[in-house]
Amino acid sequence: EPEVTQTPSHQVTQMGQEVILRCVPISNHLYFYWYRQILGQKVEFLVSFYNNEISEKSEIFDDQFSVERPDGSNFTLKIRSTKLEDSAMYFCASGGHEQYFGPGTRLTVT
Amino acid sequence: GIQVEQSPPDLILQEGANSTLRCNFSDSVNNLQWFHQNPWGQLINLFYIPSGTKQNGRLSATTVATERYSLLYISSSQTTDSGVYFCAVGKTSYDKVIFGPGTSLSVIP
Repeated sequence: EPEVTQTPSHQVTQMGQEVILRCVPISNHLYFYWYRQILGQKVEFLVSFYNNEISEKSEIFDDQFSVERPDGSNFTLKIRSTKLEDSAMYFCASGGHEQYFGPGTRLTVT
Repeated sequence: GIQVEQSPPDLILQEGANSTLRCNFSDSVNNLQWFHQNPWGQLINLFYIPSGTKQNGRLSATTVATERYSLLYISSSQTTDSGVYFCAVGKTSYDKVIFGPGTSLSVIP
């Protein structure tokens, strides 16, 4: 069964460093999303992406964040200068009618 | 935006017991999904159910879209059912989904 994959599974970085989180969506899906979950809290929407452009973004998705689909398979989330409060589980999702979530990348900013 | 509530927030069950989890939402939706977050943090798709009833083994779900709620039934619970159950809704099929706060389920032997 096709699935969304994410790498790395866990990333530790120092405050102020740039990180890139990678996702491979399900191959015939056209809509892509990033969500995050701070420990113990609910899952929050960050950004949606369709037809090679952002279709919607939340207030969380400020100038420090960017997304890219550099080729036909990968979908990336970049955080330019990480802050302590960026520590969270980041989920990539892809879909059509139903969204399928990847296993997540746990980002720890120290 | 759409508000999503889930009840109960926490639930402890003896193995073998049945349970019903509820999701209320504040506006009409065309996407409703139930997820199970396992102890490793992974979100597992349980049901895509914007309306009607579906069953998958010991789990079933019903959404009454006109009354803006959905129910997830777990029968004959097992310890592997433990985790957090999230309901998530979207205005359209391709829109972002908004998650509820979850129901934390613990099934004890």
